[in-house]
Amino acid sequence: GENVEQHPSTLSVQEGDSAVIKCTYSDSASNYFPWYKQELGKRPQLIIDIRSNVGEKKDQRIAVTLNKTAKHFSLHITETQPEDSAVYFCAASTGGYQKVTFGTGTKLQVIP
Amino acid sequence: GAVVSQHPSRVICKSGTSVKIECRSLDFQATTMFWYRQFPKQSLMLMATSNEGSKATYEQGVEKDKFLINHASLTLSTLTVTSAHPEDSSFYICSATGQGTDTQYFGPGTRLTVL
Repeated sequence: GENVEQHPSTLSVQEGDSAVIKCTYSDSASNYFPWYKQELGKRPQLIIDIRSNVGEKKDQRIAVTLNKTAKHFSLHITETQPEDSAVYFCAASTGGYQKVTFGTGTKLQVIP
Repeated sequence: GAVVSQHPSRVICKSGTSVKIECRSLDFQATTMFWYRQFPKQSLMLMATSNEGSKATYEQGVEKDKFLINHASLTLSTLTVTSAHPEDSSFYICSATGQGTDTQYFGPGTRLTVL
């Protein structure tokens, strides 16, 4: 089955700096890669996703890149703000109604 | 956007009792629903995949007789934790996908505490 690894497990940045979270996946059939933000005690919220036919996607301060050959994908948050502090999960799926495999999570702390 | 509700949000029960958790898609028909368990400071662990009108597919290591899943309609799936024990205490979250989409929308979760 799919295995998703995520690094780092914790990340502290100063407000205004950039944050990068990296993930790798094992199943070459995976073609859908969502990123979720989860605040303490709350549901995961989809923040951005990318499909395997695209190498990069950007939405305001958030961008995701995908390297299919290396089976790497990354989340980039620019101009970080204290409200970006949360746990971020990457995930991989073969799409459709198939299950999504989550990474282990990154706790991001943005220091004011 | 797609909204998924979950009920109850919190439940405390005695050891040996059964607890039912409901997951509803409010504004779309959920072809597939997923049930996850999340322990403190850990990732979401998929327990089972549920398709409307068919038996759920359980992940390895998840006891299907203990975690009963029913997906009787396109907007409702239920998870029943039977004969709950303290080690079943966790945050249970459902998610749902609609037709023609990859995106999973999550419910707000249910905090189960078994005394």
